[in-house]
Amino acid sequence: KAGVTQTPRYLIKTRGQQVTLSCSPISGHRSVSWYQQTPGQGLQFLFEYFSETQRNKGNFPGRFSGRQFSNSRSEMNVSTLELGDSALYLCASSLVSGVADTQYFGPGTRLTVL
Amino acid sequence: AQTVTQSQPEMSVQEAETVTLSCTYDTSENNYYLFWYKQPPSRQMILVIRQEAYKQQNATENRFSVNFQKAAKSFSLKISDSQLGDTAMYFCAFITGANSKLTFGKGITLSVRP
Repeated sequence: KAGVTQTPRYLIKTRGQQVTLSCSPISGHRSVSWYQQTPGQGLQFLFEYFSETQRNKGNFPGRFSGRQFSNSRSEMNVSTLELGDSALYLCASSLVSGVADTQYFGPGTRLTVL
Repeated sequence: AQTVTQSQPEMSVQEAETVTLSCTYDTSENNYYLFWYKQPPSRQMILVIRQEAYKQQNATENRFSVNFQKAAKSFSLKISDSQLGDTAMYFCAFITGANSKLTFGKGITLSVRP
């Protein structure tokens, strides 16, 4: 079974621009979660999507948004980029939502904001 | 509040020796899973081992085993016969049935010396 895939793997943007990251979960997995990893803050939860609905949201500004499609693929969007948005963005998938379940991670997207 | 504490920022071990990584956590939930994830220099987050909180038996996966002390909220990882490929950052994390987000510790950098 193919693992979680994320595209693109690397991105360089300038302040004020917007960016869209994509995540395809493991086949059969319907829950997709997004995390931001930075050296200073560590791993922080952004949001989770299940059945095209946002089920859970972390403590991030409204510039961070996401969506999920009927095939469970998910996209994350960051508008009006700031230097502090430079990070590794990790996507994880699991079978279901609302229960304790194992999350499997993709390779991440490295975003650099100049 | 749900927290994970990894108090050792880094450790070093000789190849073929055994090393134990410590982790404590705090949650008021009864239904949760605990994990150790490995993040090598490639930045891919890899699941090492999982422990369901309702199971008393400690989980094992080949050279990796855990010491799960539920009352003490302690969850340590033992790596036996350390290999050079074990060099990575290791994160302790848990997920509850109340929400589907992983709560991570700050991680520990493990170096395996030849």
